Amino acid sequence: SAVISQKPSRDICQRGTSLTIQCQVDSQVTMMFWYRQQPGQSLTLIATANQGSEATYESGFVIDKFPISRPNLTFSTLTVSNMSPEDSSIYLCSVGLAGDDDTQYFGPGTRLTVL
Amino acid sequence: AQKVTQAQTEISVVEKEDVTLDCVYETRDTTYYLFWYKQPPSGELVFLIRRNSFDEQNEISGRYSWNFQKSTSSFNFTITASQVVDSAVYFCALIERGTYKYIFGTGTRLKVLA
Repeated sequence: SAVISQKPSRDICQRGTSLTIQCQVDSQVTMMFWYRQQPGQSLTLIATANQGSEATYESGFVIDKFPISRPNLTFSTLTVSNMSPEDSSIYLCSVGLAGDDDTQYFGPGTRLTVL
Repeated sequence: AQKVTQAQTEISVVEKEDVTLDCVYETRDTTYYLFWYKQPPSGELVFLIRRNSFDEQNEISGRYSWNFQKSTSSFNFTITASQVVDSAVYFCALIERGTYKYIFGTGTRLKVLA
């Protein structure tokens, strides 16, 4: 597996502001993903973070609201823009490892509350 | 269409009881993977097991065991002699080979009471 860290671990933000979440992996990985988990719900894939190119977004998620960067094979950021209380969720990044691409390993998550 | 159903929303057991978490899946593909993850109150998703569609052997890891039955499209998870530390939400997930997109079930919250 890999060691995955996320910053911040939690935050409380005001409506209308933006928050950038960082995901750092201790080794180079081929695939990186961002998920949202709304309170009491399952996980929903937001996008696949592609190294050196634009992220691939799932239906219902757009780049203006959730811009993603992936400058290299060990790091990615997700920004939650113009936040509203409906954005209160846990945001998790996950990675797929070379030779083990079908298994995803998850970071500790960022617990976001929007007031 | 792909789908994963975890019909048990919440289960409560007393410590040392055995408990089985059910997972039923739907897929048209012949090549797929099934997973179980544990999410303790801290929020992190912990990988427990991966099973591919060609391997129907049951697996045991300590107090954990998994029963994969293609005939009933089920991949059930049993915890033997449950402990308070097993209290968490457990997710079953499906992925079709080559897509890298997980289909998660809605999760089962397990509460183990001392």
